[in-house]
Order: sequence, then structure tokens, then C-alpha cells
Amino acid sequence: AQSVTQLDSHVSVSEGTPVLLRCNYSSSYSPSLFWYVQHPNKGLQLLLKYTSAATLVKGINGFEAEFKKSETSFHLTKPSAHMSDAAEYFCVVSDTGGFKTIFGAGTRLFVKA
Amino acid sequence: DTGVSQDPRHKITKRGQNVTFRCDPISEHNRLYWYRQTLGQGPEFLTYFQNEAQLEKSRLLSDRFSAERPKGSFSTLEIQRTEQGDSAMYLCASRNRDSTGELFFGEGSRLTVL
Repeated sequence: AQSVTQLDSHVSVSEGTPVLLRCNYSSSYSPSLFWYVQHPNKGLQLLLKYTSAATLVKGINGFEAEFKKSETSFHLTKPSAHMSDAAEYFCVVSDTGGFKTIFGAGTRLFVKA
Repeated sequence: DTGVSQDPRHKITKRGQNVTFRCDPISEHNRLYWYRQTLGQGPEFLTYFQNEAQLEKSRLLSDRFSAERPKGSFSTLEIQRTEQGDSAMYLCASRNRDSTGELFFGEGSRLTVL
């Protein structure tokens, strides 16, 4: 069985400050891990993915995430938040075969001017 | 190909009526997924197809729900005898044979049951 827990339902940062969105996962297999972003009234867009290559993964819009097997974590970071980053972010785990793909409950990111 | 398309985008129905949603995946993608998303929640997995075979169904998919992908291309999700609790956004996604690949999502079909 696999599951994913996003540790914060809401995160608020000031523009220009770092962003940290936390995700822990549980999987019986070697998982693939993803972060997706959903802007209001928009579809889900892939930010980045980890698939057992480099543990530090770089994505779009300056986001990156680090896979830490010992901590079963895949936290999303960005050095400097921009107003346009305000959105809902989902951590996603997929089993080795890419069959069942499970979403976390989401973290809403607020960016203050 | 412009991506995953879903139809209709919005559906308002009365309780007890049947509704059907259609999803057209990216043409070369053999894997197709249905999710349900309610306000403030992450997408919940409903079911998954590889080609025309429905390989897994969530416990969320009660016997009022049925999904098909008859020719391994488009898929339909039917809800019979709708209830107010069925109101949600129904999302379709597809993925190619690369099991580690990105899920491409449609814009979703929003269902409102009065």
C-alpha cells in the first residue's frame, strides 16, 4: 500500500522569501514521486518528478525537491517566492508499475506582497 | 493533439438523474485514470485503465458508478441515480507506456447535483 501526507494544509510566505512545502510518503515499492501545481480554475500541471535517478530534482519555475529515502520525504522548495506562485500544490506517489497514483491532500501557498 | 479533453465541462443535474462524462486522452497514451476532486481536497483515485482493461477500482467507486474504455481510446464515466454527495470535479488523466511518466490532466468535468 502507498500513501502520501502533506504536512501543512496552508503555507504563507512573503514575496522574495524561501518556500518549503513538506511531503512524506509511504510505499511498499520503489516509488516515483511528483509535485503538481493547480492554479485557481486551472488544470493540474507537473512541476517536477523523481524516478530513482538524482535525488535532487529540478523543476519548472525555479522549484526543486529532494528525495530522502531515510526520511521518506520529498519536500518542495524554492529560494524566492513570487506572487504568481500562489496556488495549490500536490505531492503525488506512484508505484513502480505506474498503476495506482495517489495524491496528497494539498498545500495551499499564499504569497504576500 | 492538444492534450486530454473532457466533456461536458459543467453539468448540473437533479438528484436521481444519470450523468455521463467523456474523456479523450492523448492519442498515444495507453493508460487512463479517473479522479474525483472536491473543494479543498486533493484528487481521489477512482479507477484506472490500461488500454481497454479496467485494472483497478477504488472503494470510492460505488455500484452507481461505472467506467468503460471500449476500444482503448476514449473513456466514459457514468453515475446512475446521482446524489448530492456526488457533486465534485471529475478529472481524467492519461499517461504513456513509461510507468514513471507524467500524468497529463484534462480540465475536468464539474458536476453539481441539486
